[in-house]
Amino acid sequence: KAGVTQTPRYLIKTRGQQVTLSCSPISGHRSVSWYQQTPGQGLQFLFEYFSETQRNKGNFPGRFSGRQFSNSRSEMNVSTLELGDSALYLCASRDLTGIAEAFFGQGTRLTVV
Amino acid sequence: AQTVTQSQPEMSVQEAETVTLSCTYDTSESDYYLFWYKQPPSRQMILVIRQEAYKQQNATENRFSVNFQKAAKSFSLKISDSQLGDAAMYFCAYHSGNTPLVFGKGTRLSVIA
Repeated sequence: KAGVTQTPRYLIKTRGQQVTLSCSPISGHRSVSWYQQTPGQGLQFLFEYFSETQRNKGNFPGRFSGRQFSNSRSEMNVSTLELGDSALYLCASRDLTGIAEAFFGQGTRLTVV
Repeated sequence: AQTVTQSQPEMSVQEAETVTLSCTYDTSESDYYLFWYKQPPSRQMILVIRQEAYKQQNATENRFSVNFQKAAKSFSLKISDSQLGDAAMYFCAYHSGNTPLVFGKGTRLSVIA
């Protein structure tokens, strides 16, 4: 099976712009979670989607949003980018019928200048 | 809310020696899962080992083993015969029910040749 695929791998954006990140989960996995990783804060949970519905949401401002499509692919959008949004964004997929361990993509490195 | 604490930001070990990484967690649940993930410089988060809380036997995967103390809410990772390729960030994670994975802040492990 192919692993979790995140695109793009790297992004440089300007403050005030918006950005969309994409995640394709492992085939058959219907749960997709997004995490923001920064050196100071570690891994912080953004949101989780399951069968196109947001199931859990972390403590992030409304500028951060996401969605999931019928093929389980997920997108994350950040509007009005701030310098502090610079981070590694990780996507994880899970098969909730099993032990529910998460499988991660390689991440998207977002730099806001 | 569940929390995961890794009290060692950095550790180092000589090649071929043994090292133990600490993790404690806080939960009121009785049924949950614990994981150790490894993140090498390539950024890919890789599952190292998992433990189901209802199992008393400590999990083992080749050179990796855990010491799971449910009453003390402790979940340490032991790496035996350390290799240069073990150098990475190690994250302890907790999962229960429909909640998302909760991560500790990580321990950076260096392996000295």
